[in-house]
Amino acid sequence: DTGVSQNPRHKITKRGQNVTFRCDPISEHNRLYWYRQTLGQGPEFLTYFQNEAQLEKSRLLSDRFSAERPKGSFSTLEIQRTEQGDSAMYLCASSPSGRLADTQYFGPGTRLTVL
Amino acid sequence: AQTVTQSQPEMSVQEAETVTLSCTYDTSESDYYLFWYKQPPSRQMILVIRQEAYKQQNATENRFSVNFQKAAKSFSLKISDSQLGDAAMYFCAPGSNYKLTFGKGTLLTVNP
Repeated sequence: DTGVSQNPRHKITKRGQNVTFRCDPISEHNRLYWYRQTLGQGPEFLTYFQNEAQLEKSRLLSDRFSAERPKGSFSTLEIQRTEQGDSAMYLCASSPSGRLADTQYFGPGTRLTVL
Repeated sequence: AQTVTQSQPEMSVQEAETVTLSCTYDTSESDYYLFWYKQPPSRQMILVIRQEAYKQQNATENRFSVNFQKAAKSFSLKISDSQLGDAAMYFCAPGSNYKLTFGKGTLLTVNP
């Protein structure tokens, strides 16, 4: 499978705990994106990386959220001191360089439930 | 900033028939792209079709085509010869500067 992969697929945690999600983009895709999707809504942009550089962060990304892409390959999204409002599907996407640089391919997502 | 309106929360179509999903958007960007994605129940987001805003020619991908009206900021998706596998939530998503803005989606049901 050469698509975008995300782990874990599901995460249940208690309020106040920290969680970390991982995203592996399509091989050789240099841009990587994180989105959040709540029930009944479309995804909302959180942040994106070009190689290892984080180029844009949404205002939705509070101080409790941090994303990294240390070697320009996989990325992690960490949420500290989780709140019930953080419950959502967290989607990762990647895009290639060149003519299709704007075209994002999504992974299956990580569903977070905060109790 | 971009805003997206999908005015049809739900649509249904008979198998083999044609259906059109509507989308309007607002943007201050001069350089942008437009996408339709489908999200089947409990499955991942799949790219359906891509349109470059600077091109007047409407994009087509097999049974899927768009009607792009740039001045009206309208970007509708037509699905021809609908199949049971087309049942999904469909999202319209304009994008600029590598950031997509999604509408709330249209849930498409395909009746056999």
